[in-house]
Amino acid sequence: AQKITQTQPGMFVQEKEAVTLDCTYDTSDPSYGLFWYKQPSSGEMIFLIYQGSYDQQNATEGRYSLNFQKARKSANLVISASQLGDSAMYFCAMRGDGITSYDKVIFGPGTSLSVIP
Amino acid sequence: DAGVIQSPRHEVTEMGQEVTLRCKPISGHNSLFWYRQTMMRGLELLIYFNNNVPIDDSGMPEDRFSAKMPNASFSTLKIQPSEPRDSAVYFCASEGPGQVNTEAFFGQGTRLTVV
Repeated sequence: AQKITQTQPGMFVQEKEAVTLDCTYDTSDPSYGLFWYKQPSSGEMIFLIYQGSYDQQNATEGRYSLNFQKARKSANLVISASQLGDSAMYFCAMRGDGITSYDKVIFGPGTSLSVIP
Repeated sequence: DAGVIQSPRHEVTEMGQEVTLRCKPISGHNSLFWYRQTMMRGLELLIYFNNNVPIDDSGMPEDRFSAKMPNASFSTLKIQPSEPRDSAVYFCASEGPGQVNTEAFFGQGTRLTVV
């Protein structure tokens, strides 16, 4: 069965500092996709970044980067130069390949990030 | 594109009443997901449709919950009868065809309160 683990229920970071949010996953699919979403207090789910299991390079999107270590089954999100608007819940998610398993998207429990001025 | 559209945004109902949540996915998307979010259980996948067909409903909590997708542009999630423990935010999300690198786009959610 597929599973996503986020071991940090809450994190604090000083404004302008970098922060790493941890994500580990479990799957037996030969290929899969990993995603990070942000959920601010307003409640909407905002897609941030994607990493494919066969991608050779770590994904980057602006201030977001994904530290992907396939052998360790980890896909940590790094936010550089934190801003007050980054305070939110962050969810790691995974999609299966649709062959070995359903290509449904499952989510981890989330990490609450608070940026301190 | 208007994105995934959910209605209503908020619903307050009395225990025992029927509740119907509605979702219009993004045009051209062929996968649709219903999620439930609570503080205790996080984001739970309830049911997943592909090409209007329910593929995996193992997350549907019990027979009181049912979901339909009569066509590619509309889906409903029905709770009958509703109970206070069903209070949660219900999200609908849709996704484009068949690649692992396609992200799911979420609606704004329906906040359901059962009193």
